[in-house]
Amino acid sequence: KAGVTQTPRYLIKTRGQQVTLSCSPISGHRSVSWYQQTPGQGLQFLFEYFSETQRNKGNFPGRFSGRQFSNSRSEMNVSTLELGDSALYLCASSFAGTGGNEQYFGPGTRLTVT
Amino acid sequence: EDQVTQSPEALRLQEGESSSLNCSYTVSGLRGLFWYRQDPGKGPEFLFTLYSAGEEKEKERLKATLTKKESFLHITAPKPEDSATYLCAGGSARQLTFGSGTQLTVLP
Repeated sequence: KAGVTQTPRYLIKTRGQQVTLSCSPISGHRSVSWYQQTPGQGLQFLFEYFSETQRNKGNFPGRFSGRQFSNSRSEMNVSTLELGDSALYLCASSFAGTGGNEQYFGPGTRLTVT
Repeated sequence: EDQVTQSPEALRLQEGESSSLNCSYTVSGLRGLFWYRQDPGKGPEFLFTLYSAGEEKEKERLKATLTKKESFLHITAPKPEDSATYLCAGGSARQLTFGSGTQLTVLP
């Protein structure tokens, strides 16, 4: 079974621009969660989508948004990029979502904002 | 607010020297305690899920245990290939809350 894939793997953007990241979950998984990982804050939860609906959201500003398509693929968008948005963005897929279900992570997208 | 704290931050072991990593958690309505391994530049790799106090799970040289307040990851006779950052996370109905990780280095 293919794992979670994320594209692109690396991205360099300028402050003020916007960016869209993509995630394809494991086949059959309906939940996709997004995380931001930085050396200072560690892994922080952004949001979770399940069957095309945002089910949970972390404590991030509205510049961070996402969506999920009918095939469970998900995108996240960051508008008006700031230097502090430089991070590894990880998505994780799960059959039934957060809680007691295992989440399987993709390799991440390394975003650098200059 | 849910909180997960891991210690130590970093651990250096000689090959074959067994040790334990600690994960203390305060997670409202805990549904599962998860352990992951993360290698540099990669996404976390799932290791274990523990659901209730007293539960234990093993995989090769790793054994995870759970109490009502803590989880331990015991590493028996580690090898250099076990070098990685080990993350624990508490799962509630809303989200996974991660600890900051323990960076393990096993020297040959």
